[in-house]
Amino acid sequence: DIQMTQSPSSLSASVGDRVTITCRASQSISSYLNWYQQKPGKAPKLLIYATSSLQSGVPSRFSGSGSGTDFTLTISSLQPEDFATYYCQRSYSAFTFGPGTKVDVK
Amino acid sequence: QVQLVESGGGVVQPGRSLRLSCAASGFTFSIYTIHWVRQAPGRGLEWVALISYDGINTYYTDSVKGRFTISRDNSKNTLYLQMNGLRAEDTAVYYCARSDGYNRGFDYWGQGTLVTVSS
Repeated sequence: DIQMTQSPSSLSASVGDRVTITCRASQSISSYLNWYQQKPGKAPKLLIYATSSLQSGVPSRFSGSGSGTDFTLTISSLQPEDFATYYCQRSYSAFTFGPGTKVDVK
Repeated sequence: QVQLVESGGGVVQPGRSLRLSCAASGFTFSIYTIHWVRQAPGRGLEWVALISYDGINTYYTDSVKGRFTISRDNSKNTLYLQMNGLRAEDTAVYYCARSDGYNRGFDYWGQGTLVTVSS
């Protein structure tokens, strides 16, 4: 089975910071990689699908890149509503989630 | 607007059964693949199962194979998860989620229903 890892597991940041989260697959998953945001007590929200496609309604400060085994989610300028946990997920033939990255206030 | 509403959660003893439902509205239910995803308390997300738009294809994560059954009734716009032989490790919030194909992510989610397996 292909394993998904994320780094860091948590990070502290300030409003306005550029934030980058990395997701790594144990084998190539081509571009089949999605990103979600989850706030406490809420369902996850799709941010990015197929590595770099921005989901409708998601602010353009979120972007995704990568291919094969290494992927990144970037928040260009962190906003107060962006403090949350972020998950990557492989898709197409399996739907494994990464363990998550918690972004909290510095 | 698109809505997915889960129900059927509760407290159940180990080894017993429970059936979850997910009522869909605001979109053409019969053309979408639907998934179950769970989240144990304080833990990450775990994909559980999917069912194709027509109900013909189903897939499960290894830990629930042979115990859980996903099904759907397109005439009722409803998804189900029959959970048998429940274990303590099945304790989680269970979400249903919609996907447009297999590579566009899960674009709409329900609010979740909590299943607690405990004696």
